[in-house]
Amino acid sequence: DIVMTQSPDSLAVSLGERATINCRSSQSIFYSSNNENYLAWYQQKPGQPPKLLISWASTRESGVPDRFSGSGSGTDFTLTISSLQADDVAVYYCQQYYTTPSITFGQGTRLEIK
Amino acid sequence: EVQLVESGGGLVQPGGSLRLSCAVSGFTLSSYWMSWVRQAPGKGLEWVANIRQDGSEKYYADSVKGRFTISRDNAKDPLYLQMNNLRAEDTAVYYCARDRGGTSGWSLYFFDYWGQGTPVTVSS
Repeated sequence: DIVMTQSPDSLAVSLGERATINCRSSQSIFYSSNNENYLAWYQQKPGQPPKLLISWASTRESGVPDRFSGSGSGTDFTLTISSLQADDVAVYYCQQYYTTPSITFGQGTRLEIK
Repeated sequence: EVQLVESGGGLVQPGGSLRLSCAVSGFTLSSYWMSWVRQAPGKGLEWVANIRQDGSEKYYADSVKGRFTISRDNAKDPLYLQMNNLRAEDTAVYYCARDRGGTSGWSLYFFDYWGQGTPVTVSS
C-alpha cells in the first residue's frame, strides 16, 4: 500500500497568517496518461465527518473558500491556507486514490490558533 | 440538500455481528458508488468497502475481507454493512460516504458527502 505521511502532526498559526500542511506519498501518485495527481484533501472539525476540500491535488470543491489551495506533484503535496480564520481549526487529511481499491489516508495534521 | 444518515452501531462482544445501515436523501442512492469508511477513536481514516451502483462490484480492505459484506437493495433506500466476527480493532465510528465519481460507472475513490457516522464498540 502507498503510505501517506503528513507533516507536521500539529500546527499552531496566528489568525490571518499562512498555514502550510505537507503530505508525502511513498510512491508517485501522478498518472501521466491524464496528467493528474490522485490526491484529495479533507477537513474534519471536532465531532463532524470529513469534508472534501480539494481533489486532483489542486482543484477546489465548490463552496470551499479560495484561501484554501493545493499544490504539488508526484510524491510531494501541500495544502495552504493563505489567511487563517478561526473557523479553520480542524484536523486535515490527505488521501491518495491512485491505487484502488487500496486507497490510503495520511495520519492527519491538527491545526490550531496560536 | 444531500444527507446521509447511518444507524445500527452499538456495543458488541468480540466474535459478534452488527449490521449498519445508511439512508440518504437529496440524491438517488442507486446512481452512485458508495463506500464505508471508519475512524478508530482518536485515529485517522480507513476505507472499508465500496459497492457499484447496481451492486455488481464490491471491494474490501484486506483488514475486513471475509468478515464484512457491503450490500444495497436499490428497490429500497439503505446501504448496508454486515459485520461478522468482530474484533476489538474494528472499534470505530463508521461513516457512509458518496463517491465523487457521480453517476458515471466509475468509482473515483474519493468522497464528496459523508454521514455523521455511527459508533461501533467491540468489547467484552
